[in-house]
Amino acid sequence: GENVEQHPSTLSVQEGDSAVIKCTYSDSASNYFPWYKQELGKRPQLIIDIRSNVGEKKDQRIAVTLNKTAKHFSLHITETQPEDSAVYFCAASGNRAGGTSYGKLTFGQGTILTVHP
Amino acid sequence: DSGVTQTPKHLITATGQRVTLRCSPRSGDLSVYWYQQSLDQGLQFLIQYYNGEERAKGNILERFSAQQFPDLHSELNLSSLELGDSALYFCASSVSSGGAYEQYFGPGTRLTVT
Repeated sequence: GENVEQHPSTLSVQEGDSAVIKCTYSDSASNYFPWYKQELGKRPQLIIDIRSNVGEKKDQRIAVTLNKTAKHFSLHITETQPEDSAVYFCAASGNRAGGTSYGKLTFGQGTILTVHP
Repeated sequence: DSGVTQTPKHLITATGQRVTLRCSPRSGDLSVYWYQQSLDQGLQFLIQYYNGEERAKGNILERFSAQQFPDLHSELNLSSLELGDSALYFCASSVSSGGAYEQYFGPGTRLTVT
């Protein structure tokens, strides 16, 4: 089945710096790649996503890039703020019926991001 | 607020018992997904239902079962509970059954098995 690897497991930055989190996936049938932010004890919250027909997507301080050939995608957060501190999860999913990634999100292991004031 | 609701928020029970977790999807969403989050296993997909029918299955234990009702709410049943079943259980919903649609998560049910 699909396997998603996420790095780093922890990331510590100063306020105003940029943060980058990287993920790789194994199933070439995967074509949807969301990113979730989870604060302690709360639900995962969708912050941005990208589909395989797009190489890059940006929403204010957050951007995601996708390299289908290399099967990796990354989350970029610019001008980090203390309220960005949370656990970030990447995920992969596919919409090909019968494929191993169909109908479910396979998550990476998570990155604990700490932004120091 | 994602629009997905889950009850109860917390559940404490003993080993060997059975519990039922409930989820109501966002208005208009036909798919419901169940995920388990534990410290050692991360976020794991359990099962998906679409408009009342099972559509995809993950590493769901035989002791666990789920269903989706005509009003689209879903229930996850966990039986013969073990200490290792202690975890956060999330349900998520999306508009369709395919994998390329946004999934929105509910607040979760924290299950503690003692």
